[in-house]
Amino acid sequence: DAMVIQNPRYQVTQFGKPVTLSCSQTLNHNVMYWYQQKSSQAPKLLFHYYDKDFNNEADTPDNFQSRRPNTSFCFLDIRSPGLGDAAMYLCATSGGGGAAEAFFGQGTRLTVV
Amino acid sequence: AQRVTQPEKLLSVFKGAPVELKCNYSYSGSPELFWYVQYSRQRLQLLLRHISRESIKGFTADLNKGETSFHLKKPFAQEEDSAMYYCALSAISGTYKYIFGTGTRLKVLA
Repeated sequence: DAMVIQNPRYQVTQFGKPVTLSCSQTLNHNVMYWYQQKSSQAPKLLFHYYDKDFNNEADTPDNFQSRRPNTSFCFLDIRSPGLGDAAMYLCATSGGGGAAEAFFGQGTRLTVV
Repeated sequence: AQRVTQPEKLLSVFKGAPVELKCNYSYSGSPELFWYVQYSRQRLQLLLRHISRESIKGFTADLNKGETSFHLKKPFAQEEDSAMYYCALSAISGTYKYIFGTGTRLKVLA
């Protein structure tokens, strides 16, 4: 009964070849987040949505884009992956509200070759 | 800028010993603070939040606004507590942003 599902779990892409990571949720949550986590570092927020309202972090590279076609799905597009984009990508949701719990997916580990 | 600091990357304690995982935050508004835990090969999940003032799996955390800290404590560590622990800050300037610290790996030794 996984509530936040990320596909695929492992993704290998070529340098410069566009790649899309997907996330779906069964919680009907308003807020969806994408985080990038590199080894031994904190999960770094890339962007988040409240419904269709998109909020980009100031330091998120333009190479990273996102789409949320409906409540359940959210996509992370990396237009031209570089070696430095290899990381674990985490999707999370919350119901909104300051003290709302965030629910995480298992993550997608991206390798760039 | 908002920031969450966890000064220890690794904390090793013996079973039955007290545990304290440190977390300091930088935020001028009213913080919402959380501890998340990631057990081996599992997803990140909520352990506790300051607003609930609850004890989960024997862990407690008190928000100290004067020291801008939210340290996680447990009086007697158990082997199953071994995991990665992340402190997180939310409700930043009325947004739904979540910011995480770098995490502390807790190893409880038999």
